[in-house]
Amino acid sequence: DIQMTQSPSSLSASVGDRVTITCRASQTISTYLNWYQQKPGKAPKLLIYAASSLQSGVPSRFSGSGSGADFTLTISSLQPEDFATYYCQQNYNVPRTFGQGTKVEIK
Amino acid sequence: EVQLVESGGGLVQPGGSLRLSCGASGFIFSNFWMSWVRQAPGKGLDWVANIKEDGSETYYGDSVKGRFTISRDNAKNSLHLQMDSLRVEDTAVYYCVRGGGKFEYWGQGPLVTVSS
Repeated sequence: DIQMTQSPSSLSASVGDRVTITCRASQTISTYLNWYQQKPGKAPKLLIYAASSLQSGVPSRFSGSGSGADFTLTISSLQPEDFATYYCQQNYNVPRTFGQGTKVEIK
Repeated sequence: EVQLVESGGGLVQPGGSLRLSCGASGFIFSNFWMSWVRQAPGKGLDWVANIKEDGSETYYGDSVKGRFTISRDNAKNSLHLQMDSLRVEDTAVYYCVRGGGKFEYWGQGPLVTVSS
């Protein structure tokens, strides 16, 4: 199984900050990497697919990059509604696997 | 508007069975892979299973293989998850999801509690 490791596990940031979350796969996965946002009590929401493609309706302050085994999710200017937990997920093969999550909290 | 509405959650004893269902609307159900993803209380996301558009292929996570069965009825736009030999560690919210690898739309997820 492919292991997905996110860092950091949590971070504190202020509104307007630039935030970067990294995700590392245990083997190369090309660009078969997706990012999700989850708020408490809600279902996850797809933000980025294929490593860098923005899902329809997602604000342009979210961006993704990377290929191979190392990936990054960037929020260019953190907004109040962005405080949430973020997960990466590989769809290179089965079983599909997720990172452990990164909780973005208010500083 | 895409809608996924799950039903069938609840409390079950260890070793018991439960069947989850998901009704889909707002899209051509038979054109999409479908999946189940779960989340234990306070924990991360865990992929459970997926099924091809016509039901001819199914795949399972290691922790549920041999105990859970995913199926679909394209005539009724419905997805199912038969869960047998349930364990305490299967306690989770179970999400019905459109997609086999890119999880575009999610239901709200019923809670399944396995406890004596």
